Amino acid sequence: DAKTTQPNSMESNEEEPVHLPCNHSTISGTDYIHWYRQLPSQGPEYVIHGLTSNVNNRMASLAIAEDRKSSTLILHRATLRDAAVYYCIGNNNNDMRFGAGTRLTVKP
Amino acid sequence: GAGVSQSPSNKVTEKGKDVELRCDPISGHTALYWYRQRLGQGLEFLIYFQGNSAPDKSGLPSDRFSAERTGESVSTLTIQRTQQEDSAVYLCASSPKTGSFYNSPLHFGNGTRLTVT
Repeated sequence: DAKTTQPNSMESNEEEPVHLPCNHSTISGTDYIHWYRQLPSQGPEYVIHGLTSNVNNRMASLAIAEDRKSSTLILHRATLRDAAVYYCIGNNNNDMRFGAGTRLTVKP
Repeated sequence: GAGVSQSPSNKVTEKGKDVELRCDPISGHTALYWYRQRLGQGLEFLIYFQGNSAPDKSGLPSDRFSAERTGESVSTLTIQRTQQEDSAVYLCASSPKTGSFYNSPLHFGNGTRLTVT
């Protein structure tokens, strides 16, 4: 597995951008980088994933470092509904093991 | 357009009893995962099924835990002789198999909240 390291918690103000970092220094060349989030009392939901190039979708953007040892999930304008635990995973085998994630608090 | 369905949504059982938790994955999804999430904690991998291959059971915490899957459909997670430490939310996820498996995101159910009294 590509071991991932994320800050335990982060805070943001509403309507400001949020950059959530993830280190995955042991990632291999075929590992995709996945991000999920878990809202309170819900199962995790997929946010975004990528391999080498930066990715954008309706939820977020994913910036992947050139050496692929780190990535950043970008929420362009945080809302109160974005308060959740965010998990990144470097997937090089099939068991998709999650770390502790980053708890994002959004302040009004 | 149903997502991953888990039942029951809540289960209260007495210590020492056996419980069965059910997961209905999205139709056509060949990969199925079980996770455990204790209160305030992250997701703990339990077991992974991929098609007809032997499951990866490396995350099962003890021999009281077992899981079955019939083909590429329903899965059941069984916990025998439940203990209070088994109290947690048990989450199931499924994923389609594409040309590049690792490019397939997981789709989670809402979990079964197990309380052992």
